[in-house]
Amino acid sequence: GEEVAQTPKHLVRGEGQKAKLYCAPIKGHSYVFWYQQVLKNEFKFLISFQNENVFDETGMPKERFSAKCLPNSPCSLEIQATKLEDSAVYFCASSQIPGETQYFGPGTRLLVL
Amino acid sequence: SQQGEEDPQALSIQEGENATMNCSYKTSINNLQWYRQNSGRGLVHLILIRSNEREKHSGRLRVTLDTSKKSSSLLITASRAADTASYFCATLTQGGSEKLVFGKGTKLTVNP
Repeated sequence: GEEVAQTPKHLVRGEGQKAKLYCAPIKGHSYVFWYQQVLKNEFKFLISFQNENVFDETGMPKERFSAKCLPNSPCSLEIQATKLEDSAVYFCASSQIPGETQYFGPGTRLLVL
Repeated sequence: SQQGEEDPQALSIQEGENATMNCSYKTSINNLQWYRQNSGRGLVHLILIRSNEREKHSGRLRVTLDTSKKSSSLLITASRAADTASYFCATLTQGGSEKLVFGKGTKLTVNP
């Protein structure tokens, strides 16, 4: 597609439950990025992919967060055993050329109660 | 960690006035990008300026980059109520990782 698509728009989970978010990058874009935005301002980089390979995972809290980008499937970000502080908007972005413009999806708003 | 720091944190102006937002960063960069975020929505890419460029224009937007001072500014001329949004600078640092490092943003309100 011409836009980055993210589903669901909203997700509510009880503390300790699993959350799974999906992202379909723009067709032809090889690079996918996940960012977390807390409190409407601070963005935190989580992980990036080049096609199905992890490119940079320095931002991932590895004990509970995992992500995949498999061929012919949307990319996914999964949080096992969610915590209150995981409440945030999770954005996916894609780019065609590394280091160039990243195009962002509309985000998934996760609320952990 | 956040590299960019936007200044001011909030800005309120009248329609027709110009709005200037500043961004400072700490490390050497490949490029700097400005994004707009309307309330509760995704990020819209506005402009990308490379480390070897000093100024760039796009419509009513003018971006400058001073790598010696590690700072950038975004000027919106003849502002409109529809420009009301939060504006973020994001840097792509030298060294191989393609992740963007965002500032905390400037919340711009344009009053009709």
